[in-house]
Amino acid sequence: DAGITQSPRYKITETGRQVTLMCHQTWSHSYMFWYRQDLGHGLRLIYYSAAADITDKGEVPDGYVVSRSKTENFPLTLESATRSQTSVYFCASNMGEAGTEAFFGQGTRLTVV
Amino acid sequence: DAKTTQPTSMDCAEGRAANLPCNHSTISGNEYVYWYRQIHSQGPQYIIHGLKNNETNEMASLIITEDRKSSTLILPHATLRDTAVYYCIVRAYNTNAGKSTFGDGTTLTVKP
Repeated sequence: DAGITQSPRYKITETGRQVTLMCHQTWSHSYMFWYRQDLGHGLRLIYYSAAADITDKGEVPDGYVVSRSKTENFPLTLESATRSQTSVYFCASNMGEAGTEAFFGQGTRLTVV
Repeated sequence: DAKTTQPTSMDCAEGRAANLPCNHSTISGNEYVYWYRQIHSQGPQYIIHGLKNNETNEMASLIITEDRKSSTLILPHATLRDTAVYYCIVRAYNTNAGKSTFGDGTTLTVKP
């Protein structure tokens, strides 16, 4: 399917487990982003990537790892999940040109118990 | 990016105009005002942006004060589907939209 897709849509995991959230886009956008959104609050940038093999930290990177071996994929890994990482995670992408907007996925609701 | 201040919540009657205010008193000369909305915890959706002139598109109008320290998003005829969280963001035009700083926004509830 065309667009940006996240998987899974819902995930429950236990404290201390490793979990990976997937993000796939079909537009060949150079930039991809990961955000978290805690209940009742706005989005906060975790990590972003300007191109394959180029990643950089956002506002709240601690506890997360990203990689970008292919342009179309940008997985987010929680190496040892904590309850404070319970949140909705959004992925987005764009070409990065001035004035262009970002396109968001549908989100992954992660619960850490 | 400049910080913005928005009311936490607002109500609006269906069919009436919804006026959502935003303060951005520390805005720089090269920064634009952007508005987004988020419906039912979907990803944010771009609505409109402007520098200093009033702007209008098919979704909304944006009124920016002459000193650019505040702005108002106007939904001229609000419908129940406009119930959402609205975010006012200030950023330079050449800053990647993906790096936007989202505050807590205004929760607009449109009532029948």
